[in-house]
Amino acid sequence: GNSVTQMEGPVTLSEEAFLTINCTYTATGYPSLFWYVQYPGEGLQLLLKATKADDKGSNKGFEATYRKETTSFHLEKGSVQVSDSAVYFCALSSSGGSNYKLTFGKGTLLTVNP
Amino acid sequence: NAGVMQNPRHLVRRRGQEARLRCSPMKGHSHVYWYRQLPEEGLKFMVYLQKENIIDESGMPKERFSAEFPKEGPSILRIQQVVRGDSAAYFCASSPTMEGANSPLHFGNGTRLTVT
Repeated sequence: GNSVTQMEGPVTLSEEAFLTINCTYTATGYPSLFWYVQYPGEGLQLLLKATKADDKGSNKGFEATYRKETTSFHLEKGSVQVSDSAVYFCALSSSGGSNYKLTFGKGTLLTVNP
Repeated sequence: NAGVMQNPRHLVRRRGQEARLRCSPMKGHSHVYWYRQLPEEGLKFMVYLQKENIIDESGMPKERFSAEFPKEGPSILRIQQVVRGDSAAYFCASSPTMEGANSPLHFGNGTRLTVT
């Protein structure tokens, strides 16, 4: 079956530091890949997505590239801000339909200190 | 511009009681999905509903759990005779179509159920 493995947290960084949160997946076919973010007290929001190999998703300074050869979709940001403190979830949806049936990683808590 | 609304935010039930979780989708969305996040795990799909129809309940436990999305009113996730293992965060999501990759799911804040 499908699975997503992401970096164990929590991750604590200083403002303006470089961020990487690793995510690898196991899936058949050609899944779509997502990063969702959950800010304190809020629901999950889609941060970025990529639907095919070598696609790069980007939003709010975050980027992730769909690497089929390494089955990875690592999240990066060059300079984090305090407002980026949140829980980040990597997820995939199966190819061939059932795109609503997302498989999530466990989430990585990021804390950015001023 | 209200998002997906879930209530209550926190729910405490004793073992054996019933839990009812409510979800109102975003305006204009007719597809509702329920996910569960057990402690130390990722969110897992439970059920997909449209108005008055259950489309996919492959992730629902076989017993005690049911879901509905009536013609009028919110979607309800109902857990009968709760047990401690039901303690989790339950998230509702909605979309205007079923194509999640092209129409991303919008999630609510979740209901945190604690069974004592």
